[in-house]
Amino acid sequence: ELKVEQNPLFLSMQEEKNYTIYCNYSTTSDRLYWYRQDPGKSLESLFVLLSNGAVKQEGRLMASLDTKARLSTLHITAAVHDLSATYFCAPRGHKLTFGKGTLLTVNP
Amino acid sequence: DTGVSQNPRHKITKRGQNVTFRCDPISEHNRLYWYRQTLGQGPEFLTYFQNEAQLEKSRLLSDRFSAERPKGSFSTLEIQRTEQGDSAMYLCASSLISQGFGEQYFGPGTRLTVT
Repeated sequence: ELKVEQNPLFLSMQEEKNYTIYCNYSTTSDRLYWYRQDPGKSLESLFVLLSNGAVKQEGRLMASLDTKARLSTLHITAAVHDLSATYFCAPRGHKLTFGKGTLLTVNP
Repeated sequence: DTGVSQNPRHKITKRGQNVTFRCDPISEHNRLYWYRQTLGQGPEFLTYFQNEAQLEKSRLLSDRFSAERPKGSFSTLEIQRTEQGDSAMYLCASSLISQGFGEQYFGPGTRLTVT
């Protein structure tokens, strides 16, 4: 059974500083998804990482995938308030298995 | 509107009552998924359909839960004899398996409160 572990679970960030969220998963997966969820809202797709070594960037967020290590990272550069949300990683199977999520808050 | 839609958005019911939720996927998407999310947790897979066939059900899906997708279009999720532990956000997602990424697109969810 696929298990997904994210850390940290809570991240209080200061504006303009850099942070990284880690996503470890237990069984082989050839791709991985990152989603964002605002409070009380549904999930918004951020990145689809399709192969080992894949790197995607959008604004202040950059995601990477190491399938051999079963590890994905989401790097935040120069955090700003509108990045406050919960972020989930989900390795691909025919169904998605989500981690518990990382709750990010950005403080001035 | 070409996104996934779900109705109702909120449902408050008394314990023991039956409830039914509806999901309309993105047009032409052949896969439809149901997930449940409780506070502070990630979504948990419940079941999925490919066209009208229900291909997998999670062990989380007790006998009180049933899902259908007649004609491979919209889907319904029914919960019979609701319990307080059923209170959660029920999320629907759809995807097109022939599409390269297999990306799932989520609807806004139905929040169920059982009193």
